Amino acid sequence: DQQVKQNSPSLSVQEGRISILNCDYTNSMFDYFLWYKKYPAEGPTFLISISSIKDKNEDGRFTVFLNKSAKHLSLHIVPSQPGDSAVYFCAASPALIQGAQKLVFGQGTRLTINP
Amino acid sequence: DGGITQSPKYLFRKEGQNVTLSCEQNLNHDAMYWYRQDPGQGLRLIYYSQIVNDFQKGDIAEGYSVSREKKESFPLTVTSAQKNPTAFYLCASRTTTGWRETQYFGPGTRLLVL
Repeated sequence: DQQVKQNSPSLSVQEGRISILNCDYTNSMFDYFLWYKKYPAEGPTFLISISSIKDKNEDGRFTVFLNKSAKHLSLHIVPSQPGDSAVYFCAASPALIQGAQKLVFGQGTRLTINP
Repeated sequence: DGGITQSPKYLFRKEGQNVTLSCEQNLNHDAMYWYRQDPGQGLRLIYYSQIVNDFQKGDIAEGYSVSREKKESFPLTVTSAQKNPTAFYLCASRTTTGWRETQYFGPGTRLLVL
């Protein structure tokens, strides 16, 4: 049972344009969402997060949108740069239970930025 | 420089052998985690620890064991009972800032079976 789904395994975008990565979830108990970026043979790097009390969070070129009714979130990168080429994972977490945060990850989307 | 270190970067296991992956952090984080990544898949939780001398099974704990004797260290042992150990193993620790709970990852260890 895949609780967090990234339905696009790959995405190709022209440099300078907007990249939009999508993520869907099924568990209504999830209330905190994160995006990570991962290069090959390296650990994921935290990018941006959003709580369910918000519908948008912005940090520089990165903006995450949350649509709770649709159980959908998206990451917008604008403008896209060659260094953005990586695999992007979305992750979700339910409210803290006894202090434990158990993240559930999507399968990842490989983003390629073309010059 | 604060961070999470994992060693070795590559590890080879023979049939029937137990191997231990190291994870150390100097971030003063209480909670630490071990994940496994297989090609084309997301990260799956093996074990996690919220505090010294305490740890909990994740979603795929069978064939693995952990210890948490020090706050800074959370080693993972891949036992001979783990029949498909070839994967990329990631260690993480968690920080809290206000409402934000964020896990930060080490560089990973790739385990290969000879």
